Amino acid sequence: DAKTTQPPSMDCAEGRAANLPCNHSTISGNEYVYWYRQIHSQGPQYIIHGLKNNETNEMASLIITEDRKSSTLILPHATLRDTAVYYCIVRVATSSARQLTFGSGTQLTVLP
Amino acid sequence: DSGVTQTPKHLITATGQRVTLRCSPRSGDLSVYWYQQSLDQGLQFLIHYYNGEERAKGNILERFSAQQFPDLHSELNLSSLELGDSALYFCASSEAVGGGPYGYTFGSGTRLTVV
Repeated sequence: DAKTTQPPSMDCAEGRAANLPCNHSTISGNEYVYWYRQIHSQGPQYIIHGLKNNETNEMASLIITEDRKSSTLILPHATLRDTAVYYCIVRVATSSARQLTFGSGTQLTVLP
Repeated sequence: DSGVTQTPKHLITATGQRVTLRCSPRSGDLSVYWYQQSLDQGLQFLIHYYNGEERAKGNILERFSAQQFPDLHSELNLSSLELGDSALYFCASSEAVGGGPYGYTFGSGTRLTVV
């Protein structure tokens, strides 16, 4: 699986959009970008994933650059409950795929 | 409620002892993954089972073992416990080997404290 690079920490004001970047310059054509988050000591939670196109769901939006070497997770209106560690993971999504490998992630702190 | 059930939620035991952690996957999921997260450490993959068969091993100690039963629930056995085994242990499930369209669903974890 391709390696990802994320800033160790970020702050965001409550109600503002939180934009979390992720670099994955060695991504392969069949690898997806997944985002998970872990609220303190809870189990990680799936947020969103995408291959090439931008994706949006009820939790967030995922913007992937045209060359697919980086992506941004957007939480449109951050709340205090969004304070968590956010993990960007790149991997294939086939029946032969291996387990998820978590890096260090980005600690997002939403400030009141 | 994620649909993945882990028991017990908390466990305190002494060094040298043996414990069993249990995980019931989400209904319909055939894959179960175990992860360990020590204090201020990242999530470390331990082992993966698919439909009763071991599929992958990570940095799992020889003192640790796991199995997945015909009803698809899984147990992680930790023996000869040491202080350093104190950690959160998470179980995740997915419908397929590779995670399915929505990745993995994690349980709320078991916090193990070895004293």
